[in-house]
Amino acid sequence: NAGVTQTPKFRVLKTGQSMTLLCAQDMNHEYMYWYRQDPGMGLRLIHYSVGEGTTAKGEVPDGYNVSRLKKQNFLLGLESAAPSQTSVYFCASSDRGWTEAFFGQGTRLTVV
Amino acid sequence: QKEVEQDPGPLSVPEGAIVSLNCTYSNSAFQYFMWYRQYSRKGPELLMYTYSSGNKEDGRFTAQVDKSSKYISLFIRDSQPSDSATYLCAMRTSNTGKLIFGQGTTLQVKP
Repeated sequence: NAGVTQTPKFRVLKTGQSMTLLCAQDMNHEYMYWYRQDPGMGLRLIHYSVGEGTTAKGEVPDGYNVSRLKKQNFLLGLESAAPSQTSVYFCASSDRGWTEAFFGQGTRLTVV
Repeated sequence: QKEVEQDPGPLSVPEGAIVSLNCTYSNSAFQYFMWYRQYSRKGPELLMYTYSSGNKEDGRFTAQVDKSSKYISLFIRDSQPSDSATYLCAMRTSNTGKLIFGQGTTLQVKP
């Protein structure tokens, strides 16, 4: 049972480079989320999606873009990476109504 | 001001102690209240959830929601070293899907 899978698990970027983080879920969930986690800051919501083709801004959306072209995938893009985007990124998914949000294993991104 | 506030700790207690973890929030539209547990270098996992106000008990864990005060709590009885982790509260409205977390409280239970 794969659940929520994030790719890649680790990445080092140079300032100004771009990259895309991929999140894939096999539970047919409607909702998907991207969070970043920094020491002492908890999980901060970057963007989220309530269904295929929809996206919405979270708490800290600046510097990131997202797309949900397929229900099972949620992509997070960094167009021009900055050192302030060094963080651990978590993807999560859940179904409509009340259900548990399942998390991926995280992506550790360092921007130098 | 963040929508959800949580004291980051750290909190250190002896084995067997009762632990109280708390969060406050400002958005009265939150209806689903959750506690997640996160071990080092792992993703968060759901521990407890409550819909609207009230209490919920599961073994050594009790979750309480006081919507009038915009305050939620998690109590851990007979704490164990294996409970050492970061505990994150999370909240969601019933119709937007937006899931917001607190900063997380780091708990250490010493043998």
